[in-house]
Amino acid sequence: AQSVTQLGSHVSVSEGALVLLRCNYSSSVPPYLFWYVQYPNQGLQLLLKYTTGATLVKGINGFEAEFKKSETSFHLTKPSAHMSDAAEYFCAVTNGGGYNKLIFGAGTRLAVHP
Amino acid sequence: DTAVSQTPKYLVTQMGNDKSIKCEQNLGHDTMYWYKQDSKKFLKIMFSYNNKELIINETVPNRFSPKSPDKAHLNLHINSLELGDSAVYFCASSQGSGGQPQHFGDGTRLSIL
Repeated sequence: AQSVTQLGSHVSVSEGALVLLRCNYSSSVPPYLFWYVQYPNQGLQLLLKYTTGATLVKGINGFEAEFKKSETSFHLTKPSAHMSDAAEYFCAVTNGGGYNKLIFGAGTRLAVHP
Repeated sequence: DTAVSQTPKYLVTQMGNDKSIKCEQNLGHDTMYWYKQDSKKFLKIMFSYNNKELIINETVPNRFSPKSPDKAHLNLHINSLELGDSAVYFCASSQGSGGQPQHFGDGTRLSIL
């Protein structure tokens, strides 16, 4: 069975500081990994995805994530936080099989202070 | 030009009632999903349809019945609503499998009085 653990339910950074949101996964087959962002009262928006190939993936809004198989991690980073980055972030995994079922982590709320 | 649209956005009703949520996608995708997000923001898949065929049916009470009249629509009907059904329900769609990303609607916030 697959699972996702997001370390830190709340992360607070200053505007301009590095953003690091941690995600570890468990999967018995090669995983497909995603980061989604949820703004208040909105749906989930895809930030980036890892399927195969390059392990450093770039997404929208300046975010990137690195797939590290040896560490079973897929941490999300952004060099410089903006106030508009304040939102809930979800890491998710699927095995890419016929059912494409997404398993989500519990989410991390990012707060950005002036 | 909304890609995945859900109606209604808010649904407030009493315990014991029956209600439906509708979802439509204009992305041409062949697979649609229903997810439930609880009060702690935890997201869990409920159902998935591929080309109108049910392919995922998680451990969900049989009071919940999805229906897909065509591959662009996936509706969710809930009978005999209970307090624990209060949540945000998200519809999503994707093209096939192989780890294709899912596109989400804005959600339907269901509140049971």
